[in-house]
Amino acid sequence: QQQVKQSPQSLIVQKGGIPIINCAYENTAFDYFPWYQQFPGKGPALLIAIRPDVSEKKEGRFTISFNKSAKQFSLHIMDSQPGDSATYFCAASIEGRDDKIIFGKGTRLHILP
Amino acid sequence: DAGVTQSPTHLIKTRGQQVTLRCSPKSGHDTVSWYQQALGQGPQFIFQYYEEEERQRGNFPDRFSGHQFPNYSSELNVNALLLGDSALYLCASSHLGAGRTEAFFGQGTRLTVV
Repeated sequence: QQQVKQSPQSLIVQKGGIPIINCAYENTAFDYFPWYQQFPGKGPALLIAIRPDVSEKKEGRFTISFNKSAKQFSLHIMDSQPGDSATYFCAASIEGRDDKIIFGKGTRLHILP
Repeated sequence: DAGVTQSPTHLIKTRGQQVTLRCSPKSGHDTVSWYQQALGQGPQFIFQYYEEEERQRGNFPDRFSGHQFPNYSSELNVNALLLGDSALYLCASSHLGAGRTEAFFGQGTRLTVV
């Protein structure tokens, strides 16, 4: 059972565009929703995270939108750059209970120069 | 701070063999989690160690076992290797107690089973 569903699988955007990656979850006990960025040959690195009491969070060019009632959240990358080309994973966890991170399948993002 | 370090970086093993992967957590972290990332997939949780005990486990067979040492470093052991065990194995460390932190991932060990 896949608890975090992520789409699209891959995405190509022109430099300066705004790629949007969407995720949906099933378990309402999740209370922490991080996004990870992974470059080839590297481990995932935390990009930005949100908790369900907040509907939006911005950090630099990265914004998470969160819809608790729909059990959906999304990542927007403003003014995208070729250096943002990477694989992005949405994830979820239950911080107070088990801390294990459930990952989506990932989105391979390519920003055209 | 060296962050999370894993060794070796790459490994090739034959079906049926056994393998041990190692992880040193980030300074100040007391918890180590292991994940398996198959090609083109998201990482999948294997297990987590805290205070030298397996705290919780994902949906992996008993061929996967681990250990945490008093200095918080950890090992992942896989017995009777299958071709399907070929993957990137990631270690993540965090601090579970008061002032809990996010999980930091190492670069992983790329295991190829032939």
